[in-house]
Amino acid sequence: NAGVTQTPKFRILKIGQSMTLQCTQDMNHNYMYWYRQDPGMGLKLIYYSVGAGITDKGEVPNGYNVSRSTTEDFPLRLELAAPSQTSVYFCASSYSDPRNTEAFFGQGTRLTVV
Amino acid sequence: QKEVEQDPGPLSVPEGAIVSLNCTYSNSAFQYFMWYRQYSRKGPELLMYTYSSGNKEDGRFTAQVDKSSKYISLFIRDSQPSDSATYLCAMINYGGATNKLIFGTGTLLAVQP
Repeated sequence: NAGVTQTPKFRILKIGQSMTLQCTQDMNHNYMYWYRQDPGMGLKLIYYSVGAGITDKGEVPNGYNVSRSTTEDFPLRLELAAPSQTSVYFCASSYSDPRNTEAFFGQGTRLTVV
Repeated sequence: QKEVEQDPGPLSVPEGAIVSLNCTYSNSAFQYFMWYRQYSRKGPELLMYTYSSGNKEDGRFTAQVDKSSKYISLFIRDSQPSDSATYLCAMINYGGATNKLIFGTGTLLAVQP
């Protein structure tokens, strides 16, 4: 059981470049999330999805886009990378069942924009 | 006002101390409350989950919820160096505008041997 898998683990981007952070889960979770975590800070919600075909903005969506065409995959797209997007990005997934709210996290993608 | 507020610390305690970690929240629609533990350079992992007001114990850990005050706490008894990590509170409600998992900023805890 792989859980939540994020790729790549590390990436250096130049200002203005674009990239897609991949996230896939094999637990059949309907909720999926993207967070960013700046050094010494907590998790800020970028986008989330409550099911395939449904996405919504979190606290800090500017400069990012997402799609959810399948239950398993929730890619995060960065367009025109900026130094302010240097961060660690975490993908997470969970059931929508209140009796089982545990969110499972990937190992993170460390992104540096120079 | 942030939906969830948490004292970022850092908090440094000697081994064996009792640790108290706290969060406040502004939206009374939140109904499910969690504490996650995050070790350095790792993703967060669920430590405890509570729903109703009151206390829930799991070994050395006690989670406390006071919905009337919009205040949650995590107590760690007999703290160990292996408890050194960042502790994040999180909350969610299913339905409406709060059906997303919101985290506090995290408290960095160091337990000194």
